[in-house]
Amino acid sequence: DAGITQSPRHKVTETGTPVTLRCHQTENHRYMYWYRQDPGHGLRLIHYSYGVKDTDKGEVSDGYSVSRSKTEDFLLTLESATSSQTSVYFCAISESGQSEAFFGQGTRLTVV
Amino acid sequence: GENVEQHPSTLSVQEGDSAVIKCTYSDSASNYFPWYKQELGKRPQLIIDIRSNVGEKKDQRIAVTLNKTAKHFSLHITETQPEDSAVYFCAAASGGSQGNLIFGKGTKLSVKP
Repeated sequence: DAGITQSPRHKVTETGTPVTLRCHQTENHRYMYWYRQDPGHGLRLIHYSYGVKDTDKGEVSDGYSVSRSKTEDFLLTLESATSSQTSVYFCAISESGQSEAFFGQGTRLTVV
Repeated sequence: GENVEQHPSTLSVQEGDSAVIKCTYSDSASNYFPWYKQELGKRPQLIIDIRSNVGEKKDQRIAVTLNKTAKHFSLHITETQPEDSAVYFCAAASGGSQGNLIFGKGTKLSVKP
């Protein structure tokens, strides 16, 4: 498996609290992505990064922010969690924008 | 931005039959089209991909075809086996330095013994 680790793996949080999910890679890949997976919606892109400090919005970016201060880490922050953000979050990495993306194990986030 | 439509959402076949999943994309600049398989409770994993300069690619029992003019691509699985049961996702990535990777909604394939 590619060297990609998500933390935490599971989290339960209350509505209105901030939450940060971490994606860490040891592959030195340029691209990193955050997706959320919900039944009936597949994998929806939240934000992605194409280099250090280079990020862009995806399909469902409202309520989320990201930061990438170094190659190996890509952080996803929910500024004020809502129940609609209950989901499984996957991080992925790829060497270029047109090559295999490797996924992390996923983080199951529950907002109560 | 890119939009990827995938059909059908569910597919049930008998073991040994073929299965076909179809996807369409909207951005003519997209040039990379991977397919992922996700088993229950696991992460998605690449099974095959194709680039816009190729019309077809095969890998044992799986193949992918691409029609750039019509902006659609398909996954073909022959001689299906129970272990092929999973959710399959197609995706499209646009070119350039800021390319992103957009997925279809997935197809749940069930192979009955």
